[in-house]
Amino acid sequence: SAVISQKPSRDICQRGTSLTIQCQVDSQVTMMFWYRQQPGQSLTLIATANQGSEATYESGFVIDKFPISRPNLTFSTLTVSNMSPEDSSIYLCSVEDRTGPGANVLTFGAGSRLTVL
Amino acid sequence: QQQVKQSPQSLIVQKGGISIINCAYENTAFDYFPWYQQFPGKGPALLIAIRPDVSEKKEGRFTISFNKSAKQFSLHIMDSQPGDSATYFCAARVSSGTYKYIFGTGTRLKVLA
Repeated sequence: SAVISQKPSRDICQRGTSLTIQCQVDSQVTMMFWYRQQPGQSLTLIATANQGSEATYESGFVIDKFPISRPNLTFSTLTVSNMSPEDSSIYLCSVEDRTGPGANVLTFGAGSRLTVL
Repeated sequence: QQQVKQSPQSLIVQKGGISIINCAYENTAFDYFPWYQQFPGKGPALLIAIRPDVSEKKEGRFTISFNKSAKQFSLHIMDSQPGDSATYFCAARVSSGTYKYIFGTGTRLKVLA
Protein backbone atom coordinates (compact mmCIF):
# COMPACT_ATOMS: atom_id res chain seq x y z
CA SER A 1 0.00 0.00 0.00
CA ALA A 2 0.98 3.63 -0.37
CA VAL A 3 3.32 5.35 2.08
CA ILE A 4 2.20 8.78 3.25
CA SER A 5 4.35 11.54 4.73
CA GLN A 6 2.59 14.31 6.57
CA LYS A 7 4.17 17.57 7.69
CA PRO A 8 4.22 18.96 10.27
CA SER A 9 3.77 16.08 12.69
CA ARG A 10 2.72 18.55 15.35
CA ASP A 11 2.53 22.28 15.89
CA ILE A 12 1.40 24.81 18.42
CA CYS A 13 -0.27 27.84 16.92
CA GLN A 14 -1.74 31.10 18.06
CA ARG A 15 -5.40 31.92 17.73
CA GLY A 16 -6.23 33.72 14.49
CA THR A 17 -3.33 32.35 12.49
CA SER A 18 -3.41 29.74 9.71
CA LEU A 19 -1.45 26.52 9.26
CA THR A 20 -0.92 24.44 6.14
CA ILE A 21 -0.48 20.69 6.44
CA GLN A 22 1.24 18.83 3.64
CA CYS A 23 0.54 15.28 2.50
CA GLN A 24 3.04 13.56 0.19
CA VAL A 25 2.38 10.07 -1.17
CA ASP A 26 5.04 7.77 -2.62
CA SER A 27 2.84 6.76 -5.55
CA GLN A 28 0.07 8.19 -7.70
CA VAL A 29 -3.30 7.59 -6.07
CA THR A 30 -6.83 8.17 -7.19
CA MET A 31 -8.50 9.23 -3.98
CA MET A 32 -7.17 11.51 -1.26
CA PHE A 33 -9.15 12.39 1.83
CA TRP A 34 -8.62 14.65 4.82
CA TYR A 35 -9.98 13.57 8.21
CA ARG A 36 -10.06 15.23 11.60
CA GLN A 37 -9.69 13.25 14.81
CA GLN A 38 -10.23 15.05 18.09
CA PRO A 39 -8.44 13.48 21.07
CA GLY A 40 -9.99 10.15 21.96
CA GLN A 41 -12.63 10.54 19.28
CA SER A 42 -13.51 9.06 15.93
CA LEU A 43 -12.43 10.15 12.48
CA THR A 44 -14.56 12.78 10.79
CA LEU A 45 -14.21 13.30 7.06
CA ILE A 46 -13.47 16.92 6.21
CA ALA A 47 -13.26 16.66 2.44
CA THR A 48 -12.19 14.68 -0.58
CA ALA A 49 -9.25 16.28 -2.38
CA ASN A 50 -9.88 16.12 -6.11
CA GLN A 51 -6.93 16.41 -8.46
CA GLY A 52 -7.18 19.48 -10.61
CA SER A 53 -10.51 20.65 -9.26
CA GLU A 54 -12.13 21.99 -6.11
CA ALA A 55 -12.35 19.69 -3.11
CA THR A 56 -15.66 18.14 -2.09
CA TYR A 57 -16.51 19.17 1.47
CA GLU A 58 -18.62 17.31 4.00
CA SER A 59 -21.45 18.93 5.87
CA GLY A 60 -20.09 21.27 8.53
CA PHE A 61 -16.82 22.00 6.73
CA VAL A 62 -16.33 24.92 4.35
CA ILE A 63 -13.67 25.92 1.89
CA ASP A 64 -12.98 29.28 3.51
CA LYS A 65 -12.03 27.56 6.76
CA PHE A 66 -10.30 24.48 5.31
CA PRO A 67 -8.94 25.30 1.85
CA ILE A 68 -7.47 22.24 0.14
CA SER A 69 -5.18 21.96 -2.82
CA ARG A 70 -4.31 18.90 -4.87
CA PRO A 71 -2.01 19.89 -7.72
CA ASN A 72 -1.14 16.32 -8.73
CA LEU A 73 -1.79 12.65 -7.91
CA THR A 74 0.85 12.46 -5.17
CA PHE A 75 0.43 15.66 -3.15
CA SER A 76 -2.19 17.62 -1.26
CA THR A 77 -2.37 20.37 1.33
CA LEU A 78 -4.97 21.25 3.93
CA THR A 79 -4.96 24.72 5.46
CA VAL A 80 -6.69 25.42 8.74
CA SER A 81 -7.54 29.10 8.56
CA ASN A 82 -8.15 31.68 11.28
CA MET A 83 -7.62 29.06 13.95
CA SER A 84 -9.40 28.90 17.28
CA PRO A 85 -8.84 26.52 20.20
CA GLU A 86 -11.74 24.41 18.86
CA ASP A 87 -9.54 23.55 15.88
CA SER A 88 -7.10 21.74 18.15
CA SER A 89 -7.14 18.23 16.75
CA ILE A 90 -5.25 15.63 14.77
CA TYR A 91 -5.57 16.06 11.02
CA LEU A 92 -5.07 12.93 8.95
CA CYS A 93 -4.40 12.53 5.26
CA SER A 94 -5.57 9.27 3.72
CA VAL A 95 -5.39 7.76 0.24
CA GLU A 96 -6.86 4.94 -1.76
CA ASP A 97 -6.58 3.67 -5.27
CA ARG A 98 -9.95 2.73 -6.72
CA THR A 99 -8.42 0.01 -8.89
CA GLY A 100 -5.36 -2.22 -8.87
CA PRO A 101 -3.38 -3.54 -5.90
CA GLY A 102 -4.21 -0.48 -3.78
CA ALA A 103 -7.94 -0.81 -4.23
CA ASN A 104 -10.00 -1.13 -1.05
CA VAL A 105 -7.06 -0.17 1.12
CA LEU A 106 -7.57 3.21 2.72
CA THR A 107 -4.12 4.15 4.02
CA PHE A 108 -3.50 6.87 6.57
CA GLY A 109 -0.61 9.12 7.35
CA ALA A 110 0.60 9.43 10.93
CA GLY A 111 -1.36 12.65 11.34
CA SER A 112 -0.60 16.25 12.23
CA ARG A 113 -1.40 17.15 15.83
CA LEU A 114 -2.43 20.77 16.03
CA THR A 115 -2.77 22.73 19.27
CA VAL A 116 -4.25 26.21 19.14
CA LEU A 117 -3.65 28.50 22.10
CA GLN B 1 -28.41 7.95 7.20
CA GLN B 2 -24.64 7.83 6.79
CA GLN B 3 -23.68 6.79 10.29
CA VAL B 4 -21.99 3.76 11.72
CA LYS B 5 -22.76 3.00 15.35
CA GLN B 6 -20.08 1.17 17.32
CA SER B 7 -20.08 -0.47 20.73
CA PRO B 8 -18.74 -0.81 23.31
CA GLN B 9 -16.83 2.42 23.79
CA SER B 10 -14.20 0.58 25.84
CA LEU B 11 -13.40 -3.03 26.54
CA ILE B 12 -11.13 -4.80 29.00
CA VAL B 13 -10.26 -8.42 28.29
CA GLN B 14 -7.96 -10.90 29.95
CA LYS B 15 -5.05 -12.27 27.94
CA GLY B 16 -6.25 -15.26 25.96
CA GLY B 17 -9.86 -14.12 26.00
CA ILE B 18 -12.13 -13.14 23.12
CA SER B 19 -12.69 -9.47 22.32
CA ILE B 20 -15.91 -8.63 20.50
CA ILE B 21 -16.74 -5.24 19.01
CA ASN B 22 -20.03 -4.53 17.29
CA CYS B 23 -21.13 -2.09 14.60
CA ALA B 24 -24.46 -1.27 13.00
CA TYR B 25 -25.43 0.81 10.00
CA GLU B 26 -28.51 2.07 8.21
CA ASN B 27 -27.39 2.97 4.72
CA THR B 28 -27.82 0.04 2.33
CA ALA B 29 -25.55 1.81 -0.17
CA PHE B 30 -22.51 0.85 1.92
CA ASP B 31 -20.58 -1.75 -0.06
CA TYR B 32 -17.42 -2.46 1.92
CA PHE B 33 -16.77 -2.78 5.65
CA PRO B 34 -13.19 -2.50 6.94
CA TRP B 35 -11.87 -2.52 10.47
CA TYR B 36 -8.98 -0.30 11.48
CA GLN B 37 -6.55 -0.56 14.39
CA GLN B 38 -4.95 2.55 15.81
CA PHE B 39 -2.10 2.78 18.30
CA PRO B 40 -1.40 6.03 20.18
CA GLY B 41 0.41 8.56 18.04
CA LYS B 42 -0.14 6.60 14.84
CA GLY B 43 -2.62 6.76 12.01
CA PRO B 44 -5.25 4.00 11.73
CA ALA B 45 -4.14 0.89 9.86
CA LEU B 46 -6.35 -1.57 7.99
CA LEU B 47 -6.82 -4.75 9.98
CA ILE B 48 -9.40 -6.79 8.07
CA ALA B 49 -12.34 -6.07 5.79
CA ILE B 50 -15.44 -7.73 4.37
CA ARG B 51 -17.92 -7.26 1.54
CA PRO B 52 -21.67 -7.56 2.19
CA ASP B 53 -22.03 -10.71 0.09
CA VAL B 54 -19.90 -12.65 2.59
CA SER B 55 -21.08 -13.61 6.09
CA GLU B 56 -17.71 -14.23 7.68
CA LYS B 57 -14.05 -13.56 7.02
CA LYS B 58 -11.16 -14.82 9.10
CA GLU B 59 -7.53 -13.72 9.08
CA GLY B 60 -5.45 -15.30 11.79
CA ARG B 61 -6.93 -14.37 15.17
CA PHE B 62 -9.25 -11.76 13.66
CA THR B 63 -12.72 -12.59 12.33
CA ILE B 64 -15.45 -10.37 10.93
CA SER B 65 -19.03 -11.61 11.16
CA PHE B 66 -21.49 -9.85 8.87
CA ASN B 67 -25.28 -9.94 9.08
CA LYS B 68 -26.66 -8.16 6.04
CA SER B 69 -30.33 -8.46 7.00
CA ALA B 70 -29.69 -6.98 10.44
CA LYS B 71 -27.23 -4.40 9.06
CA GLN B 72 -24.71 -5.38 11.68
CA PHE B 73 -21.13 -6.55 11.66
CA SER B 74 -18.67 -7.42 14.36
CA LEU B 75 -14.98 -7.98 14.95
CA HIS B 76 -13.86 -10.94 17.03
CA ILE B 77 -10.30 -11.10 18.32
CA MET B 78 -9.50 -14.59 19.47
CA ASP B 79 -6.77 -15.31 22.01
CA SER B 80 -6.42 -11.59 22.74
CA GLN B 81 -2.90 -10.44 23.55
CA PRO B 82 -1.57 -7.35 25.36
CA GLY B 83 -0.17 -6.22 22.00
CA ASP B 84 -3.75 -6.00 20.72
CA SER B 85 -4.39 -3.12 23.13
CA ALA B 86 -5.37 -0.30 20.80
CA THR B 87 -8.38 1.61 19.54
CA TYR B 88 -10.46 -0.17 16.92
CA PHE B 89 -12.69 1.54 14.40
CA CYS B 90 -15.23 -0.05 12.13
CA ALA B 91 -15.94 1.75 8.89
CA ALA B 92 -18.26 1.59 5.93
CA ARG B 93 -17.65 2.72 2.41
CA VAL B 94 -20.10 4.17 -0.05
CA SER B 95 -18.92 4.11 -3.65
CA SER B 96 -22.05 5.16 -5.52
CA GLY B 97 -22.23 8.90 -5.97
CA THR B 98 -19.75 10.40 -3.53
CA TYR B 99 -16.98 7.91 -2.78
CA LYS B 100 -16.06 7.97 0.92
CA TYR B 101 -15.54 6.06 4.14
CA ILE B 102 -17.55 6.68 7.30
CA PHE B 103 -16.05 5.60 10.61
CA GLY B 104 -17.61 4.31 13.79
CA THR B 105 -16.97 5.98 17.12
CA GLY B 106 -14.16 3.66 18.14
CA THR B 107 -13.55 1.06 20.85
CA ARG B 108 -10.60 1.32 23.19
CA LEU B 109 -9.43 -2.22 23.91
CA LYS B 110 -7.17 -3.08 26.79
CA VAL B 111 -5.90 -6.63 27.12
CA LEU B 112 -4.59 -7.46 30.57
CA ALA B 113 -1.47 -9.56 30.86
